[in-house]
Amino acid sequence: KQEVTQIPAALSVPEGENLVLNCSFTDSAIYNLQWFRQDPGKGLTSLLLIQSSQREQTSGRLNASLDKSSGRSTLYIAASQPGDSATYLCAVKDNNNDMRFGAGTRLTVKP
Amino acid sequence: SAVISQKPSRDICQRGTSLTIQCQVDSQVTMMFWYRQQPGQSLTLIATANQGSEATYESGFVIDKFPISRPNLTFSTLTVSNMSPEDSSIYLCSVEVGGEAFFGQGTRLTVV
Repeated sequence: KQEVTQIPAALSVPEGENLVLNCSFTDSAIYNLQWFRQDPGKGLTSLLLIQSSQREQTSGRLNASLDKSSGRSTLYIAASQPGDSATYLCAVKDNNNDMRFGAGTRLTVKP
Repeated sequence: SAVISQKPSRDICQRGTSLTIQCQVDSQVTMMFWYRQQPGQSLTLIATANQGSEATYESGFVIDKFPISRPNLTFSTLTVSNMSPEDSSIYLCSVEVGGEAFFGQGTRLTVV
């Protein structure tokens, strides 16, 4: 059974810093990996989707990488802003269409 | 992509009552997914709803407690029945388009 772990559980940085969020998974036979943002008490907003054949995806200040062999993905946020404060979740879908979520990293960007 | 309208966004309910959550999608989709997110936890899949057939429930979730309707390809409801404080959670519906998952805004349920 796929297990998804996100470290750290919480992160606080000053505005303007570049930062990296980590996601690891136990089974490398994945279909895709997706990063989400969740504001308190709200739904999930899709940030980036990486197919199993891809190594990275970029959208604006966000860059996500995927290393299937080591079971890892990272989400890089450049020049962080207070508006980036949220919980970031990664989710891994396997070839049976099952999706497993990490517990998330709660990010606070201080002005 | 897909845009999902979920309502209510939040509710406070008395124990023993039921709440029905609605999700409307802006395009036709085969499957809709219902998740629960307990406080401080990640998402757990409750059930998968296909149009025209009974929902498929995950281990630990039963139809009597979480009945689901899926009358057409753009709409679904989840009812949380006979609620107790342990049902206090965020409930989310989701669809997939081109392998990418999209979520509604969530329903924050508090049972008192």
